[in-house]
Amino acid sequence: EVQLVESGGGLVQPGGSLRLSCAASGFIFSDHYMDWVRQAPGKGLEWVGRARNKVSSYTTEYAASVKGRFTISRDDSKRSLFLQMDSLKTEDTAVYYCAREGPIGGNYFDLWGQGTLVTVSS
Amino acid sequence: SYELTQPPSVSVSPGQTASITCSGDKLGDEYVCWYQQKPGQSPVLVMYQDSKRPSGIPERFSGSNSRNTATLTISGTQAMDEADYYCQAWDSNTVVFGGGTKLTVL
Repeated sequence: EVQLVESGGGLVQPGGSLRLSCAASGFIFSDHYMDWVRQAPGKGLEWVGRARNKVSSYTTEYAASVKGRFTISRDDSKRSLFLQMDSLKTEDTAVYYCAREGPIGGNYFDLWGQGTLVTVSS
Repeated sequence: SYELTQPPSVSVSPGQTASITCSGDKLGDEYVCWYQQKPGQSPVLVMYQDSKRPSGIPERFSGSNSRNTATLTISGTQAMDEADYYCQAWDSNTVVFGGGTKLTVL
């Protein structure tokens, strides 16, 4: 089955760290750029960042709101995407989705995970 | 930073046509895609590259993009189409989402 499954969410104090994982199955993970998108409670979608594939040297891009605090990485051998979140703020509270980009140049997300909730609170 | 503007809400009667707009500076120069999100569920791609429907999306969904406005049109709207809809585009290697439109079918 083609799917993405996120894990690692939970409750963390402001200033703390958390690492999210996304396990892919049913497709050739290494072919795709992969992204993280978040959604605060009752709010809209917000892009977090992307990790390109090996052909594009695994380069990353980040939203201004998380740049310098969050790091995206991937392990193609384990078909997994990661999001290391440091210096967390209360405004980082959200459901975090892993999303697959369509064919290179497609600029759309054609597969989403179920999401994992991150709550930043004291 | 680049912004995409959507109406917060749109209402439509069953069987009628719903149009959801997404506005941005020179948006017609970029590809736009659309996602549907129902309560408690993950987003689903319903339109990409302005007017292409992914496999499994009903033909009643169509899209267009010109000048400064992209439009998602749902013809013969059904109760199951009630959801939040988000437009999305790219700006300088970053993703931009519209604020979302709640479609109510009543």
